[in-house]
Order: sequence, then structure tokens, then C-alpha cells
Amino acid sequence: EDQVTQSPEALRLQEGESSSLNCSYTVSGLRGLFWYRQDPGKGPEFLFTLYSAGEEKEKERLKATLTKKESFLHITAPKPEDSATYLCAVQAMGAQKLVFGQGTRLTINP
Amino acid sequence: AAGVIQSPRHLIKEKRETATLKCYPIPRHDTVYWYQQGPGQDPQFLISFYEKMQSDKGSIPDRFSAQQFSDYHSELNMSSLELGDSALYFCASSSTQAGDTQYFGPGTRLTVL
Repeated sequence: EDQVTQSPEALRLQEGESSSLNCSYTVSGLRGLFWYRQDPGKGPEFLFTLYSAGEEKEKERLKATLTKKESFLHITAPKPEDSATYLCAVQAMGAQKLVFGQGTRLTINP
Repeated sequence: AAGVIQSPRHLIKEKRETATLKCYPIPRHDTVYWYQQGPGQDPQFLISFYEKMQSDKGSIPDRFSAQQFSDYHSELNMSSLELGDSALYFCASSSTQAGDTQYFGPGTRLTVL
């Protein structure tokens, strides 16, 4: 069964304090790994798709990396507006559904 | 850029009533997905449609049904509602021509009393 585990569950940082969020996964053939940002009561907002080990993608203060077992979302010099829940999801080969992790609730204090 | 549209945004129903949620995908997207997110939980996949045919199925209760219409919009029909059905329901859409990334709508918050 495909599974995604994210850590930590919650993370509180000071503005400008860089850190990384972890996403460990097991999947029967990876079609893609996705990162989303979700604000309370809103729909998940797409950030990145990673397809193969070694791939990296960047957007503003965020950088996502992928290995065969896990993905990291690095956040550099975060700002309060980066506060949100970050969701990791995997899609298996031949499947359409996304299997999500429980998310990391990130809080950036000014 | 156009996004996924969901209606209604909020819905309050009594136990044993029925509800219909609507989803309008991003223009030219051919696949629609439905997810359920309970309080404090991650989104759980319910069902998906590609070119109006059911393409994948998750943990969708038998009380729920869905379809995709010729204009690509989709409806999720929920009958005999239970208290446990209270959740956020998200629709997402994707294009097989553009990489299959799923883009989510703002959700419908269903409250069953």
C-alpha cells in the first residue's frame, strides 16, 4: 500500500530562519511526487512536481529535492506569509489518485 | 488564470438528507478528481473521471455517486447523509496533455447536523 509520512507535524521558526520539511514515501513505482501548500479552509495550492531521484525544483524561497525514499522541502529565509500547512503527495504508476501525507504545519514568527 | 470552480462553497444539511456538489474544471482540462478532507486530516481520494468515464476509485461510500458531463463539469451526489460526512470536499482537475498535475478548487464545506 502506498504511504506518505511527513515530519515534523508542526514547525515554528523565526522570520529568516531556514529549515527543511521531510516527506518519506513508499510507493509501487513512482509516477510523481507533489508538494502543495494549504491555508486553513482553502484548497491545496500546487508548488512542485518531482519525477525522479536527483531532481530539484525551486520557486522563490522554496526548493524541493527528491531521493528514492524521501523528498525535502527546503525553505530559505522564510517570511510570515510562508506560514501554512505543506502537504506532500505521491502518485503511483498507473494510478490517478494522489496519496497525501498528514502535512507539516509551518508557522513563521515575525 | 482560470481556476477550478466549486459550488456551493458552504452547505448545511440534516442527517439522512441528500446533497449535490458541483465542480467546473479549468478550461481544456480533461480529468476531474474528488477528495474529502476531514478536520485536521489530509485529503482522501474519492473518485476520478477522464473524458466522462470513471478512471480511478478510492474509498468512496456506496451512498455517494459522481459523474462527469459532456461539458466536463462534474457532480458529486451524496445521499443518506451522516454526521461523519461533515468535511471539506475538494475537486481537482488536470490535463493529460500538460503533465497531469492536479489543481485544486477552493472546496465545499459540508456540515451535517
